[in-house]
Amino acid sequence: QQQVKQSPQSLIVQKGGISIINCAYENTAFDYFPWYQQFPGKGPALLIAIRPDVSEKKEGRFTISFNKSAKQFSLHIMDSQPGDSATYFCAASVSGGYNKLIFGAGTRLAVHP
Amino acid sequence: DTAVSQTPKYLVTQMGNDKSIKCEQNLGHDTMYWYKQDSKKFLKIMFSYNNKELIINETVPNRFSPKSPDKAHLNLHINSLELGDSAVYFCASSQNQGNQPQHFGDGTRLSIL
Repeated sequence: QQQVKQSPQSLIVQKGGISIINCAYENTAFDYFPWYQQFPGKGPALLIAIRPDVSEKKEGRFTISFNKSAKQFSLHIMDSQPGDSATYFCAASVSGGYNKLIFGAGTRLAVHP
Repeated sequence: DTAVSQTPKYLVTQMGNDKSIKCEQNLGHDTMYWYKQDSKKFLKIMFSYNNKELIINETVPNRFSPKSPDKAHLNLHINSLELGDSAVYFCASSQNQGNQPQHFGDGTRLSIL
């Protein structure tokens, strides 16, 4: 119940294309869903986050879509750029749960010029 | 100014040795974390401290002992190192109010020979 399942494991997109990464969860107590971006040799950094009271959140080229009934959420990167090439992690946590993040397995994104 | 800094960045040592990793944050956060990222990039929480008090203690061998001398520092001591301990260890910090973003350090790559 604590798992967050992420797919695909790796993704290759052409410059200007849309990158889509999907995550699914089981624990209905999860109420915070962040996405982290990690570059080689660096720690993960928060990219964008959503709470289940909204179905979509957009920040620049990055959008989270959230489907509460399906217990799924996804990250869309519009107009993907080579600089977006990184590993992306979805995560989930429970308010009042000491901010304990459960991470997905990660998606390695490569954007080709 | 590095927000969350870890030392050392690389640690190469023999099986059976004892080693420590240090972490410091200058963000004024009251909560700090240790994560382990394995060779497949899977990221899992190990421990969390809030104001020097242990609040998350996942199923981690008791060879791993975190120590928090103050809320800006969280060190990780590992006894009797094993081959399976080879990983990248990340320190992170956040405010413990709802689901606040976690800020990660750049990691310590531990290699056991």
